[in-house]
Amino acid sequence: DIQMTQSPSSLSASVGDRVTITCRASQGISTYLAWYQQKPGKLPTILIYAAYTLQSGVPSRFSGSGYGTDFTLTISGLQPEDFATYYCQEYKSAPFTFGPGTKVDIK
Amino acid sequence: QVQLVESGGGVVQPGRSLRLSCAASGFIFSDHGMHWLRQAPGKGLEWVALISYEGSSKYYADSVKGRFTISRDNSKNTLYLEMNRLRAEETAVYYCAKVADSSGYSHYDLWGRGTLVSVSS
Repeated sequence: DIQMTQSPSSLSASVGDRVTITCRASQGISTYLAWYQQKPGKLPTILIYAAYTLQSGVPSRFSGSGYGTDFTLTISGLQPEDFATYYCQEYKSAPFTFGPGTKVDIK
Repeated sequence: QVQLVESGGGVVQPGRSLRLSCAASGFIFSDHGMHWLRQAPGKGLEWVALISYEGSSKYYADSVKGRFTISRDNSKNTLYLEMNRLRAEETAVYYCAKVADSSGYSHYDLWGRGTLVSVSS
């Protein structure tokens, strides 16, 4: 099974900051990677799929990059509504593992 | 309206069974792979099971293999999850999610609101 790790597990940032979250797969997954945002008490929402494709309607301050085993989610200019937990997920093969999440909160 | 609505959650004793349903509307259900996922209170997201668009391919997390069964009825636009021999640690909100394509191997572009399963004596 493919294992997914994320770093950091949490971070504190200010509005306007550039934030980078890293996701690593235990084996190569090409670009079969998605990023989801989840706010407390809410459903997860898709931000990025296929490693770098921005979901329609998602602000352009979100971007994704990477291939194989190492991936990055970047938020360029953090906004108040971006404080949330972010998960990566591989979908190359079952069991479609999620990363443990990165909580972004206000500094 | 494009939506998924789960039902069937509740309180169940350890070792007992429960069947979840997920009613789909607003899209061609039979064109899409479907997944079940869960999230324990205060924890992260956990993938549970996948079924392909026509139901011929099914995959399970190791933790539920042999106890949970995913199925679908495309004539009723409904996805199911039969859960047997439930464990206390499986207390969670269970979500159904629609995959963006027919294979099941893609990102989720629609989530249900979830149904809470509480396994407790």
